[in-house]
Amino acid sequence: AQSVSQHNHHVILSEAASLELGCNYSYGGTVNLFWYVQYPGQHLQLLLKYFSGDPLVKGIKGFEAEFIKSKFSFNLRKPSVQWSDTAEYFCAAHTGGFKTIFGAGTRLFVKA
Amino acid sequence: DTGVSQDPRHKITKRGQNVTFRCDPISEHNRLYWYRQTLGQGPEFLTYFQNEAQLEKSRLLSDRFSAERPKGSFSTLEIQRTEQGDSAMYLCASSPPVGSNTQYFGPGTRLTVL
Repeated sequence: AQSVSQHNHHVILSEAASLELGCNYSYGGTVNLFWYVQYPGQHLQLLLKYFSGDPLVKGIKGFEAEFIKSKFSFNLRKPSVQWSDTAEYFCAAHTGGFKTIFGAGTRLFVKA
Repeated sequence: DTGVSQDPRHKITKRGQNVTFRCDPISEHNRLYWYRQTLGQGPEFLTYFQNEAQLEKSRLLSDRFSAERPKGSFSTLEIQRTEQGDSAMYLCASSPPVGSNTQYFGPGTRLTVL
């Protein structure tokens, strides 16, 4: 069955630390990949997406993600986190049809 | 563009009662999705509409669940004979007719079944 796995459920970092959140998907065909973020008290919103082309995609607020097809991975990175990055982050995959599959999410807490 | 809205934001009901939730997508968005999210999990796909046609349903959507989008604008999700296991956040999202599958999410309806 198609699935999306996020390796860390909770991450705690100090401000200015670097961030990498892991995401792996299980699907052998063409896949569209997303990272969504949910800030406290707010709706889910798109952070960045990959459809084709350059496997390194840049999103809002200095986030980027790299699609590595051979590893079925789409890890999220940010070189220097801020307190305002405290949120829950969801990786998602659209593998055809109309269904998007989400990972379980990673809660990031950034200490000021 | 006022975003996706959902009503009510919270619903508390007793087991066995029926509940109905409403979703108003972003205008011009013809694609509409319903998800269910429980604590510690990501959103789970329930169903998808393109205009008024329901094109995909998850096996999670048992016969107690029904969704409609009669005029291709707002949508409703009804749960009949609610069970405690139905307690969750129900999310609605919409996408524009062309381009990416980027989904714009509403605030959700939190259902508590006592």
